[in-house]
Amino acid sequence: DGGITQSPKYLFRKEGQNVTLSCEQNLNHDAMYWYRQDPGQGLRLIYYSQIVNDFQKGDIAEGYSVSREKKESFPLTVTSAQKNPTAFYLCASRGFASYNSPLHFGNGTRLTVT
Amino acid sequence: AQSVTQLGSHVSVSEGALVLLRCNYSSSVPPYLFWYVQYPNQGLQLLLKYTTGATLVKGINGFEAEFKKSETSFHLTKPSAHMSDAAEYFCAVSHIIQGAQKLVFGQGTRLTINP
Repeated sequence: DGGITQSPKYLFRKEGQNVTLSCEQNLNHDAMYWYRQDPGQGLRLIYYSQIVNDFQKGDIAEGYSVSREKKESFPLTVTSAQKNPTAFYLCASRGFASYNSPLHFGNGTRLTVT
Repeated sequence: AQSVTQLGSHVSVSEGALVLLRCNYSSSVPPYLFWYVQYPNQGLQLLLKYTTGATLVKGINGFEAEFKKSETSFHLTKPSAHMSDAAEYFCAVSHIIQGAQKLVFGQGTRLTINP
């Protein structure tokens, strides 16, 4: 079945450590996105990528980095510069068929930093 | 800039009762609007979308939404709530910048179903 796989589902890290969240899709979608979800704040866009080797900052990019070396993969690194990294992270993708095509989401990674 | 406001962070209804989740949007251009549902510790699943044409949009699981341009609203309804409808619901508006589609989400509404 086609879909988006995020791993791991739960991730625990000590403060000061960088951590990378994995996102892989087999939908042959061109565009990929990373969102952060906090209770009561909805989803906020961190980074997005429309094509391989290109990506743009979203609304809350500070303290995060991404790469897009392959169409299928869009890993997110949460760096030690991110002041409040504990959150639920969602990866999404979208084909370019039309601008009204919906986002497809993975099942998320819950990151806890202590 | 596009934005979305969901009225009510928590809504509670009895099983079998009408479900009404409110969404108002702000957009300088004709909007593309979406409703998503999220079950605990899962990603978001598309319920329905409005692009152009018919203003009453039917989605999955018996949900529907009506686009009202004069009221800038896109409220989600279901005639009869089921226990399995308990989840968080997000309204979103599509925002195009430099050829890239970005979705702007509301804060979400948590729906509780009472037996």
